[in-house]
Amino acid sequence: DAKTTQPPSMDCAEGRAANLPCNHSTISGNEYVYWYRQIHSQGPQYIIHGLKNNETNEMASLIITEDRKSSTLILPHATLRDTAVYYCIDIAGGTSYGKLTFGQGTILTVHP
Amino acid sequence: DARVTQTPRHKVTEMGQEVTMRCQPILGHNTVFWYRQTMMQGLELLAYFRNRAPLDDSGMPKDRFSAEMPDATLATLKIQPSEPRDSAVYFCASGLARDRKIYEQYFGPGTRLTVT
Repeated sequence: DAKTTQPPSMDCAEGRAANLPCNHSTISGNEYVYWYRQIHSQGPQYIIHGLKNNETNEMASLIITEDRKSSTLILPHATLRDTAVYYCIDIAGGTSYGKLTFGQGTILTVHP
Repeated sequence: DARVTQTPRHKVTEMGQEVTMRCQPILGHNTVFWYRQTMMQGLELLAYFRNRAPLDDSGMPKDRFSAEMPDATLATLKIQPSEPRDSAVYFCASGLARDRKIYEQYFGPGTRLTVT
């Protein structure tokens, strides 16, 4: 079973920042937080991952709290094409070769 | 733009028939995963390989499912005999593991299987 908790759905206006929260209160010291998304009828797409520091790439930013029990994925300027299911996953980076356990995710709807 | 490819994209078959799904991982990737997605169960990991060797297939029904990597450019998932409950979208993903760590998995477009 997935060990993370996410809200089932969120809305965001186009052009605004989308902030997607995730709780991972049982995360252990060597577990990374990963974010993937799945646009309708497509395979999941990797977004970003982090261990304890905040991370940023061309798609998004990941803010991890100091106690590492929660994180927020930020899409700085959401577009209609960002409408998707967003999955937050915590796994041990050094074991199981990155075996992912997907939960239900957050359905993000970006509206005009 | 390197991508994981899967064939066929859609497959409709009758119960009892054999189904073979194929996946071409991204060149140079040494780890290949098979996932299944249904409305009821969501995304589930079925099996995965590293350097063509199976590492874990505990998510797969053993009596009817089999997964292989005949070579580094081809992974196959076979169901024999197929049943209506096997109807799902099957995704293949690949990634590059370094020092037992793999960070990004790249997913294919999936094979939508319908068993009648």
